[in-house]
Amino acid sequence: EPEVTQTPSHQVTQMGQEVILRCVPISNHLYFYWYRQILGQKVEFLVSFYNNEISEKSEIFDDQFSVERPDGSNFTLKIRSTKLEDSAMYFCASSEFLVNEQFFGPGTRLTVL
Amino acid sequence: RKEVEQDPGPFNVPEGATVAFNCTYSNSASQSFFWYRQDCRKEPKLLMSVYSSGNEDGRFTAQLNRASQYISLLIRDSKLSDSATYLCVVRVRSNDYKLSFGAGTTVTVRA
Repeated sequence: EPEVTQTPSHQVTQMGQEVILRCVPISNHLYFYWYRQILGQKVEFLVSFYNNEISEKSEIFDDQFSVERPDGSNFTLKIRSTKLEDSAMYFCASSEFLVNEQFFGPGTRLTVL
Repeated sequence: RKEVEQDPGPFNVPEGATVAFNCTYSNSASQSFFWYRQDCRKEPKLLMSVYSSGNEDGRFTAQLNRASQYISLLIRDSKLSDSATYLCVVRVRSNDYKLSFGAGTTVTVRA
């Protein structure tokens, strides 16, 4: 069964450093998403990406964040200058069409020290 | 008011019992509804979509009540493996890309 994959599974970084989280969505899916979940809190939407551009973003997704689809398979989330409050689990998701269910990857646990 | 609200539980039930819980959503225009399950420190996994007429998938039954703006999940014949946090998820508008998540209802099934 096809699945979304994410690397790394755990990233530890110093405050102020840049991090890039990587995702490989399901191959025939057209819509890609990033969500985050701070420990003990609910899953929050960050951004969606369709047709090589951002289609929707939340208030959390400020200028420190960017997304890219550098090739036909990878989808990345970059945080330019990490803050302590960026520590969270970051989930990538994809869906075949907009109205379909979204399928989530296993997540990257980001720890900012 | 939160977009999606759930009773956090926990619901502690013996194996074989039936457990049911609800989720309310604030926007009457909400279009799509899902139940996901999440195990500790894992990703949300789709359990089932919720259709207007209600739907069943094995031991799981989901209902939608648009008038009262809630969805429900019922689990029959609970198994130990059903222990998880159940996330109520809503797409508010048909052209929304994002999904809005509830904080989850924790279910623990004991032997």
